[in-house]
Amino acid sequence: DVKVTQSSRYLVKRTGEKVFLECVQDMDHENMFWYRQDPGLGLRLIYFSYDVKMKEKGDIPEGYSVSREKKERFSLILESASTNQTSMYLCASRAGDSGYTFGSGTRLTVV
Amino acid sequence: AQSVAQPEDQVNVAEGNPLTVKCTYSVSGNPYLFWYVQYPNRGLQFLLKYITGDNLVKGSYGFEAEFNKSQTSFHLKKPSALVSDSALYFCAVRGPTDKLIFGTGTRLQVFP
Repeated sequence: DVKVTQSSRYLVKRTGEKVFLECVQDMDHENMFWYRQDPGLGLRLIYFSYDVKMKEKGDIPEGYSVSREKKERFSLILESASTNQTSMYLCASRAGDSGYTFGSGTRLTVV
Repeated sequence: AQSVAQPEDQVNVAEGNPLTVKCTYSVSGNPYLFWYVQYPNRGLQFLLKYITGDNLVKGSYGFEAEFNKSQTSFHLKKPSALVSDSALYFCAVRGPTDKLIFGTGTRLQVFP
């Protein structure tokens, strides 16, 4: 089975800090995605990547950036964390016509 | 624009009764539709998908979904609910450039 691993389950960061969320998949998938999940809003796409060094903005990219230097790793960066970025962050990968495989999520609290 | 609607925030059902979680969609072209389940403090798990073929799709844990093109619906169903089915359920449609567009989620509560 494809495994998508997010390095942290819970994170607490201070306002203004630079935050890195890491995601690694082990099945050589080209496509990787970062979503944030908020109650009543469902999942909203932040950024996605179709290949190494390629990235595309999703629906809510403001305040975020991403990095994909290797195929298996897709990092989400909060340049200067703010309290409105407190959320659950979900990484996913996909190949072909299959559905997405999600990581377990990182619950980020910005104080 | 592609979109997905889950009209119910919560569905309550007694154990052993049939359950339905509703989903309607709006797409241009043929839809690729998905259902995912999320247990507390976990990521999303794939349940089933519809791409083409039979309108009744069977998935994991005894769930199935019925694709209805005329009503643009893809409702999730199970003949006999279990307490362990209690979770958050998301419907999704594949949008432009293969991105998945999710609904807002429906919380299923199964009571003993």
